[in-house]
Amino acid sequence: GQSLEQPSEVTAVEGAIVQINCTYQTSGFYGLSWYQQHDGGAPTFLSYNALDGLEETGRFSSFLSRSDSYGYLLLQELQMKDSASYFCAVRSSNYGGSQGNLIFGKGTKLSVKP
Amino acid sequence: DVKVTQSSRYLVKRTGEKVFLECVQDMDHENMFWYRQDPGLGLRLIYFSYDVKMKEKGDIPEGYSVSREKKERFSLILESASTNQTSMYLCASRILGNTEAFFGQGTRLTVV
Repeated sequence: GQSLEQPSEVTAVEGAIVQINCTYQTSGFYGLSWYQQHDGGAPTFLSYNALDGLEETGRFSSFLSRSDSYGYLLLQELQMKDSASYFCAVRSSNYGGSQGNLIFGKGTKLSVKP
Repeated sequence: DVKVTQSSRYLVKRTGEKVFLECVQDMDHENMFWYRQDPGLGLRLIYFSYDVKMKEKGDIPEGYSVSREKKERFSLILESASTNQTSMYLCASRILGNTEAFFGQGTRLTVV
């Protein structure tokens, strides 16, 4: 089977740095994605890691270690608008053969305080 | 901009009714997905489709079926709605082999 584990809630203050971890178990792993979802909104894509290492996109960075089945999303210079739920998702071939599929974790609710 | 449109934002149906949730995407994406989202459970995959008339079960297909007669449209069908199918339903689409999925705004279905 497949499983993804991430913390259910994280709280931080404006201007701080926060790291949201994700560990996964799956076969046929292609890569790890991160999505952001504001209350009442649709999930939106943030980043994707297929190879080990750090990918940086502005204030957000994402890291993957395939050997550890582990990744994290790093948010720097937190702003109030970053308050949202963050989901890690694995693209794997458990379903859908070589095309891969997208299986999500349960999400981490980030609250940014003034 | 990619657009994924779900036919209804809110829907109230009675137990036992047959319910159709429609999703249309305008970017010629091969892959389309249906998820349901419940508090504390994240997004759970119900069904997905590679291409027209192609469908595969996800993690929780029981009580649901799907139809993809045209590339741009992916329908989720609740054959006989039950109260435990009250949920937020999210449709997504993706280019074949690509990593980024685009989501619709969701349909909040209440079964009474």
